[in-house]
Amino acid sequence: AAGVIQSPRHLIKEKRETATLKCYPIPRHDTVYWYQQGPGQDPQFLISFYEKMQSDKGSIPDRFSAQQFSDYHSELNMSSLELGDSALYFCASSLARRGLREQYFGPGTRLTVT
Amino acid sequence: GENVEQHPSTLSVQEGDSAVIKCTYSDSASNYFPWYKQELGKGPQLIIDIRSNVGEKKDQRIAVTLNKTAKHFSLHITETQPEDSAVYFCAATKSMRTSYDKVIFGPGTSLSVIP
Repeated sequence: AAGVIQSPRHLIKEKRETATLKCYPIPRHDTVYWYQQGPGQDPQFLISFYEKMQSDKGSIPDRFSAQQFSDYHSELNMSSLELGDSALYFCASSLARRGLREQYFGPGTRLTVT
Repeated sequence: GENVEQHPSTLSVQEGDSAVIKCTYSDSASNYFPWYKQELGKGPQLIIDIRSNVGEKKDQRIAVTLNKTAKHFSLHITETQPEDSAVYFCAATKSMRTSYDKVIFGPGTSLSVIP
């Protein structure tokens, strides 16, 4: 079965640079969630989109923005990168309009800021 | 907001023994409780979930129980195998009107199954 696809899998950036992470949800899924996971920590919710509209917002810095496109893929844009932004970034998707609660996670993008 | 606590933080068991991970949640409105398994370098994988209208659910060697009154829920793994070694996260979420609420994770339990 098709899973959530994230690209790139690894990304190295310098401080103050910009990064764009992409997420392709499971086909027909309408909701995308972004989470950030620091070393040895649990995933922290950043932001989510349902049917291309922002549905919820968590602890996402103002330097970050995201959107969901007409084909339901999502991009997380990160500007003015800081060392503390180094983490694993996960995207998850679900089929909310069917009332299905299960969120399926992608393999993640490991961002390293130097 | 919701706060999920999880114990123990690390757990070592002999192969074939059972493993139990316990979680508590704070928001009585939470009504959906998924469990995720995360292997090194991979994303969290949904292994089982339980809804607030159910007290227990079982899937082969894995079972979850929910006590709504006490706001406790637990994961039970029987006949553990080395491939069960991973970090396990409990989580809670609620849906007032929609199905797309964020998941709040517990801090995780690192399970090691010793052959």
